Amino acid sequence: GENVEQHPSTLSVQEGDSAVIKCTYSDSASNYFPWYKQELGKRPQLIIDIRSNVGEKKDQRIAVTLNKTAKHFSLHITETQPEDSAVYFCAASNSGGGGADGLTFGKGTHLIIQP
Amino acid sequence: DADVTQTPRNRITKTGKRIMLECSQTKGHDRMYWYRQDPGLGLRLIYYSFDVKDINKGEISDGYSVSRQAQAKFSLSLESAIPNQTALYFCATSEPDRTYGYTFGSGTRLTVV
Repeated sequence: GENVEQHPSTLSVQEGDSAVIKCTYSDSASNYFPWYKQELGKRPQLIIDIRSNVGEKKDQRIAVTLNKTAKHFSLHITETQPEDSAVYFCAASNSGGGGADGLTFGKGTHLIIQP
Repeated sequence: DADVTQTPRNRITKTGKRIMLECSQTKGHDRMYWYRQDPGLGLRLIYYSFDVKDINKGEISDGYSVSRQAQAKFSLSLESAIPNQTALYFCATSEPDRTYGYTFGSGTRLTVV
């Protein structure tokens, strides 16, 4: 089955700086890569996703890049703000938003924005 | 608003007891999932269902069972709870071939003592 590795487990950045979280996946058939943000005590929520036919996708201050050859994808957050503090999860699946086996998640990155 | 609802929100139970966690959704999605979240381990798939007649085991199904009573309802049971099943449990739904991925429920925090 799919295996998703996520780094770093904790990331502390100064407010206003950029943050980058990286994930690698093992199944070359995976074609859907979402990112979820989970604030303390709340449910994970989708913030951005990318499909394998696209190399980069941007939505305001967040962007995701995908390198299918190397089987890795990254989340980039620019001009970080205090409300960006949360746990971020990457995930992968091999079909749409559901996938034959559902999404496989990374272990999460705790992003801390220092004032 | 269409949503995914989990009950109970919190539960403390004793070792050996049977417990059921319930999930209902008003999003009209066919696909439903149960995940557990443990600190440092992320979200791991327990069971998933693509329709009422389709139930599949996930990565960590041992000690759990599920029932898909209707398109909108998907229940997770622990037949004989043990302490290492203490975790945060999430139900999620999705629609195939859509770009918005999963919608998660609010979660059930289960403690087995």
